[in-house]
Formats: sequence, C-alpha cells, structure tokens
Amino acid sequence: QLQLQESGPGLVKPSETLSLTCTVSGGSITRSSYYWGWIRQPPGKGLEWIGTIYHSGTTDYNPSLKSRVTISLDTSKNQFSLRLNSVTAADTAVYYCARLLYSSSSFANWGQGTLVTVSS
Amino acid sequence: QSALTQPPSASGYPGQPVTISCTGSSSDVGGYNYVSWYQQHPGKAPKLIIYEVSERPSGVPDRFSGSRSGNTASLTVSGLQAEDEADYYCSSYAGNNNLVFGGGTKLTVL
Repeated sequence: QLQLQESGPGLVKPSETLSLTCTVSGGSITRSSYYWGWIRQPPGKGLEWIGTIYHSGTTDYNPSLKSRVTISLDTSKNQFSLRLNSVTAADTAVYYCARLLYSSSSFANWGQGTLVTVSS
Repeated sequence: QSALTQPPSASGYPGQPVTISCTGSSSDVGGYNYVSWYQQHPGKAPKLIIYEVSERPSGVPDRFSGSRSGNTASLTVSGLQAEDEADYYCSSYAGNNNLVFGGGTKLTVL
C-alpha cells in the first residue's frame, strides 16, 4: 500500500527558503501512472494546491506561487521535494504531499502533513 | 484562478440528508468532468470521497454521492451519521494543468 511521509524543518525565518521532502513507500515514484503534488493549509483555513510533478520530472505550479516554487524528484531516494523561497508569515501552513490520479485530477493518497511556521 | 465557492457551514440530524454546494465557472467546475470531494476530520489529512463528479473510490460508503449542474457541483450525504461530522472540500481541474480547491464547508451533525 502506498504511503507518503513529509519531513523538514518546522520553523523557517522570513525571507528564507522553505524546504520539505516527501518520502514514498510501497511504490516507485517513477512509475508511469504516478503523479505527485504538494498542497498546503494555513491554520484554520482551506486547502491550496501548490504544484504537481510528473514521473518524467515535468512540473506545473499554482500561478499565484509559481515565481517562488520548485518541485523536484530524487529517484535514488524515492522522494520528491518542495522548495518555496522568500517566505513570509502568510506561508505558515500545514504542508501535505499527495499522489495525484492524473486521469481524474484527484489526490488519492496523502501524507499526514507537517506544520511549517514562518517566524523570526 | 479563484477558489471555488462553498458555504462555510452545513448541518443536519442523524439519518437526514444534507447537500453541500461548490460553485465555480465554465473554466473549472462547468468545463471539465474533474470535480473531486475530500473529507477532513480535525487534525487529519484530507480523504478523497468523490472523483470525476460522481465516482466513489473503493471503501467510501454509498451514502456519499456527487452531482453537477452547470457551474455548481454538489455533494450529498444521505442518512447522516455522527462520523460524517468533518470539513468537506471540493476541487476541480481548471485548465492548463491547474487545480483549484473550494474554501471548505464544516458539516455538523446535530
């Protein structure tokens, strides 16, 4: 059974870069039917799609975050990562990694989420 | 792209049906058959309960159903149960490989 687990610093200073990793178990991230994504949820607020990476390494980003976001694959570790630069307090959120069912544009498997706080 | 519009709250008594709406535009909800619904209990990750407007993943109870009329999608929970109390989010494909979520609806079982 596919499982995802986020990891990374829980505290990031303003103007610095937020970096998170999602470790996938139970399946290879390069499998052609697998696509991956990041979603975030500010405390007490709704979900926001950040971006998607395909098994080929091709990416798509939320236009509102595109200038600050990079999502990449590390096939040797069966992981994919998120980098968000120039963070502010507005980037404080629970960050989820998930598997995207490309055929239906729905997220079928989710990690448990990790809270990242932006504060000095 | 703008977030999809959901009512902030909904409620119903056990055993009764409740419907949650999700309004977008012809560029998202009304333009593609890729509307999904997620259930999120407090402190937990979201769980997919409906995809492609009205399809249920394996293991999701059949009291959950989805539909769409024009630019508005709906999630209906028939026969409310206590464990259905949660936040519900819709999402839709929005063209150009973009995805958009709704603001969420808090469902209370009275």
